[in-house]
Amino acid sequence: NAGVTQTPKFQVLKTGQSMTLQCAQDMNHEYMSWYRQDPGMGLRLIHYSVGAGITDQGEVPNGYNVSRSTTEDFPLRLLSAAPSQTSVYFCASSYSTPGTGNQPQHFGDGTRLSIL
Amino acid sequence: GQQVMQIPQYQHVQEGEDFTTYCNSSTTLSNIQWYKQRPGGHPVFLIQLVKSGEVKKQKRLTFQFGEAKKNSSLHITATQTTDVGTYFCVVSNSGYALNFGKGTSLLVTP
Repeated sequence: NAGVTQTPKFQVLKTGQSMTLQCAQDMNHEYMSWYRQDPGMGLRLIHYSVGAGITDQGEVPNGYNVSRSTTEDFPLRLLSAAPSQTSVYFCASSYSTPGTGNQPQHFGDGTRLSIL
Repeated sequence: GQQVMQIPQYQHVQEGEDFTTYCNSSTTLSNIQWYKQRPGGHPVFLIQLVKSGEVKKQKRLTFQFGEAKKNSSLHITATQTTDVGTYFCVVSNSGYALNFGKGTSLLVTP
């Protein structure tokens, strides 16, 4: 199994550009989420989805959009990139929502994004 | 949402020494998870604790959940260089979102 696959692994953008970070999982997981990781800040939740067609905001959603048209895919869109969005982005998935018992989160390898 | 504070932020030990990181919450937690992230890697699930006073062991790692379910700890006995990384405690915010602590970065020197 591939698990959680994120593409690209690295990206450099200019301020104002838009792009989509891809995330796909092959484990038939219902719950998927996006985090950003900045030095000394831990991981902060951007958006999450409890199933196809359902998304919700996390702690730091501004400047990001998501959609969940299939169970497998959960892309993250940066609408107009800003230097403050320079970060490492992680996608994660689990069989069900975190509150329904022992739900280990499976993380992708991350996308390292720099905004100039 | 539920916030958790982890201490210490950094820890540098000699190989063979023990290590402990603590996670504290001002509110009662339903459960707590622990993850490890190696430098340059992604977080990897270690364990989940649910019951008050629960203690679980994984080889040299011992995880505890406080009696009041407001704190937790991870203790590593006789650290090895392979233990290097950042350890995060994670709590569920309303059951739909996970809230990560800021982590404890462990450095082990031979």
